[in-house]
Amino acid sequence: AQSVTQLGSHVSVSEGALVLLRCNYSSSVPPYLFWYVQYPNQGLQLLLKYTSAATLVKGINGFEAEFKKSETSFHLTKPSAHMSDAAEYFCAVSALAGFQKLVFGTGTRLLVSP
Amino acid sequence: GAGVSQSPSNKVTEKGKDVELRCDPISGHTALYWYRQSLGQGLEFLIYFQGNSAPDKSGLPSDRFSAERTGGSVSTLTIQRTQQEDSAVYLCASSLAGSPEQYFGPGTRLTVT
Repeated sequence: AQSVTQLGSHVSVSEGALVLLRCNYSSSVPPYLFWYVQYPNQGLQLLLKYTSAATLVKGINGFEAEFKKSETSFHLTKPSAHMSDAAEYFCAVSALAGFQKLVFGTGTRLLVSP
Repeated sequence: GAGVSQSPSNKVTEKGKDVELRCDPISGHTALYWYRQSLGQGLEFLIYFQGNSAPDKSGLPSDRFSAERTGGSVSTLTIQRTQQEDSAVYLCASSLAGSPEQYFGPGTRLTVT
């Protein structure tokens, strides 16, 4: 069975500071990994995905994530936070092939202060 | 192009009533998923449609929940005899066959009073 753990339900940073959102996964088979962002009262928007190509994945809005198999991690980073980055972020895992439902973490709310 | 659309955006219903939630996937996407987002359970998978194959209903929480997909496009999620614990945001997503990328609609917020 696949699962995702996101450490920290809330992360607070100052504008311009580094953003680091943590995600660890558990999967018996090589997975696909995703980060989604959700703004208030909106659906989920795909930030980036890992699909077994490059381990460092770049996404939209300046975010990137690194797949580390040895640590079973897929942490999300951004060098400099912007006020508009305040949102909820979800890490998700799915199988490589076949039925590809997403299994989500519990989410991390990013708060950005001026 | 148009994204995934869902209607209604908000639905308030009385306990015991039936509700229907609609999802219009991206044109050409053969895979369609329903998820539920609630405070207590987070984001959880409900049901999956792929082309003309039988749907995977493994995530449906009870037999009060059902879904259909007509003509390989629009899908309707039906909840019968709604309960207060059904209050949640119901999200629909679609993808191309075999693609891991799922595109989400804005969701339907269901409130059962």
